Amino acid sequence: ETGVTQTPRHLVMGMTNKKSLKCEQHLGHNAMYWYKQSAKKPLELMFVYNFKEQTENNSVPSRFSPECPNSSHLFLHLHTLQPEDSALYLCASSQDRGQTGELFFGEGSRLTVL
Amino acid sequence: GQQLNQSPQSMFIQEGEDVSMNCTSSSIFNTWLWYKQDPGEGPVLLIALYKAGELTSNGRLTAQFGITRKDSFLNISASIPSDVGIYFCAGFTSGTYKYIFGTGTRLKVLA
Repeated sequence: ETGVTQTPRHLVMGMTNKKSLKCEQHLGHNAMYWYKQSAKKPLELMFVYNFKEQTENNSVPSRFSPECPNSSHLFLHLHTLQPEDSALYLCASSQDRGQTGELFFGEGSRLTVL
Repeated sequence: GQQLNQSPQSMFIQEGEDVSMNCTSSSIFNTWLWYKQDPGEGPVLLIALYKAGELTSNGRLTAQFGITRKDSFLNISASIPSDVGIYFCAGFTSGTYKYIFGTGTRLKVLA
């Protein structure tokens, strides 16, 4: 069992569709993250939640809408996306203000926008 | 966004050879992390370092936290074909949620 689980692993959607990505962590962490990874580009931080509160929104377009109902679950709601939004979306978790700073990633959700 | 300088960008090596890569930063960190990512998969944490000068091993992998806290090194000994992938570093400072990532080193192992 992996510590951070993402579903679906692959998603193809049209520009007018509404879909959601789901992330669940089993590590007892309090901070959760969404990152975007595009081909040949570094990881881009999108959102950070700590104890269910959003602490970071890295100038992400409103067509991406995060939701964190509790410390173990994180969603990314997708609406009217653009083809350039096609990427690997990675969820991650870490302790809140612990000293270790270890960040654990999920397997990723590969999104293709047609 | 801010990135760490990671080198080399890519390398081809023969199976059995040792590999070294490093990350440097203009900022100091109190945690360094090293990851491996296979195509289409999420990054997997290999080694975490917490103290300047610390040397930590995980099987054939050894990583060091630079004494200046601005750099870190990863060594892979006796490489095997399954070591193929992208390795990247990340720096972190306690009390923030900011992880700064390296640009990645793509490793290819020739059997």
